[in-house]
Amino acid sequence: QSVLTQPPSVSGAPGQRVTISCTGSSSNIGAGYDVHWYQQLPGTAPKLLIYENINRPSGVPDRFSGSKSGTSASLAITGLQAEDEADYYCQSYDTSLSSYVFGSGTKVTVL
Amino acid sequence: QVQLVDSGGGVVQPGRSLRLSCAASGFTFSSYAMHWVRQAPGKGLEWVAVISYDGSKKFHADSVKGRFTISRDNSKNTLYLQMSSLSAEDTAVYLCARGRGRDGYHFFDFWGQGTLVTVSS
Repeated sequence: QSVLTQPPSVSGAPGQRVTISCTGSSSNIGAGYDVHWYQQLPGTAPKLLIYENINRPSGVPDRFSGSKSGTSASLAITGLQAEDEADYYCQSYDTSLSSYVFGSGTKVTVL
Repeated sequence: QVQLVDSGGGVVQPGRSLRLSCAASGFTFSSYAMHWVRQAPGKGLEWVAVISYDGSKKFHADSVKGRFTISRDNSKNTLYLQMSSLSAEDTAVYLCARGRGRDGYHFFDFWGQGTLVTVSS
C-alpha cells in the first residue's frame, strides 16, 4: 500500500481538463516536502513532468500544471490529447520512513 | 545529452546474487546523487536506494536493507546495485535515476531505460 494515494484512473475527452490528486500525510507532503510528478508511457521509463510542486522542466507543455496544499497535491492536464494516455505518479519524501515515496499511480485514458 | 544505460539484469535463482550497472554520460556524473528505483511487473514505482555524489553517504529502503548495496565509481561514470539473498518479491525492472533537488531532498530528472531482474527457480 502506497504512502501517497492517487485515484487508480481518470479519463476525459480530447480537449477536456482532468486532475489527478495525490494525498499524503503530516510526515510527507504535510511536513513541507516537495511533490514531483512523472509521466510513464507504456513500456517506457518515467519522465519528469513537474518538479518542486509547480515547475515544469524544459520541453514539458504548459498544459501540465501542479499545485500543492496542506497534505495533498494535484496535477492538472488541460486540453487533453491522445498522447497524454499514460500512467502518472506523484513522489515526495517521508520523514517517518526516511524514504522517498511514490504515489500508487493513476492511469489517464483519453476517450 | 544526458544518458543513463542500465544493464546486468537477468534470471536468477532465489537466494543468489546479482550486480546491476548504470553507465552515465552527457553530464558530470561525480556532481550528482544517484538513485535506484524498481517497478514490479504491472505495479507502481518503488524507491530502492540513493548514493551521494561522492559515495560517502548511502541510504537504502527498508525492503532491501542488509541485502542490497548501492555504490558508484566516479572514474568510470558508473552506478552499481549489488543485490544478494534475492527472492521472488525482488522481481522487477530496476531503473537508475539522477537525483536533483533542494535541501538535500531529490526528484529524479533523468532515468535509465531499466533492466529486468527475474527471481525464479
